[in-house]
Amino acid sequence: DAMVIQNPRYQVTQFGKPVTLSCSQTLNHNVMYWYQQKSSQAPKLLFHYYDKDFNNEADTPDNFQSRRPNTSFCFLDIRSPGLGDAAMYLCATSRVGVAGKVYEQYFGPGTRLTVT
Amino acid sequence: QQQVKQSPQSLIVQKGGISIINCAYENTAFDYFPWYQQFPGKGPALLIAIRPDVSEKKEGRFTISFNKSAKQFSLHIMDSQPGDSATYFCASIDTGRRALTFGSGTRLQVQP
Repeated sequence: DAMVIQNPRYQVTQFGKPVTLSCSQTLNHNVMYWYQQKSSQAPKLLFHYYDKDFNNEADTPDNFQSRRPNTSFCFLDIRSPGLGDAAMYLCATSRVGVAGKVYEQYFGPGTRLTVT
Repeated sequence: QQQVKQSPQSLIVQKGGISIINCAYENTAFDYFPWYQQFPGKGPALLIAIRPDVSEKKEGRFTISFNKSAKQFSLHIMDSQPGDSATYFCASIDTGRRALTFGSGTRLQVQP
């Protein structure tokens, strides 16, 4: 089945130790998103890639970076995790068609990040 | 103007009853309105979605009602089941931004 895959599902890192989360998709969608979700809150968009174009949200801290080496893969790098960065990180994909029409957005299962 | 207001925050329904969750938006550039279902520890799953050119869409027990003039839309879950117990998020997207704006979520509990 076509899907959005995230690895690892659970990640424990130490305060200040860089960590990378990965996402892959078999949907061949041209947009990939990274969200942060904390307990009992809605997902919060960090940034997204439209093809190779990176679009950062204005309030995303510089501590968060992303790479998209090809259509299928996207990575979230947290350069110096703080205790406040402990959260579920969700990858999502979508297709943007003719005239910029956005189609359904599908989420992966998420990576639960713990910072010790 | 990017906000989507969702209510209620939590909802308890008896098995077999109707669950209704409401959302309101202000941004008239929104042109796509999905609902997501999320179980604890899982990613949000797309449940049903509607575009503003129709007033209602039904898929199985799930129905979206859309009122463009009032800038409101709602999710109706008919014959609610305990397995429907989850958090539900409404969302909106405007094509120019390519990103979802989420409501705050509704925690639904269906009692057996």
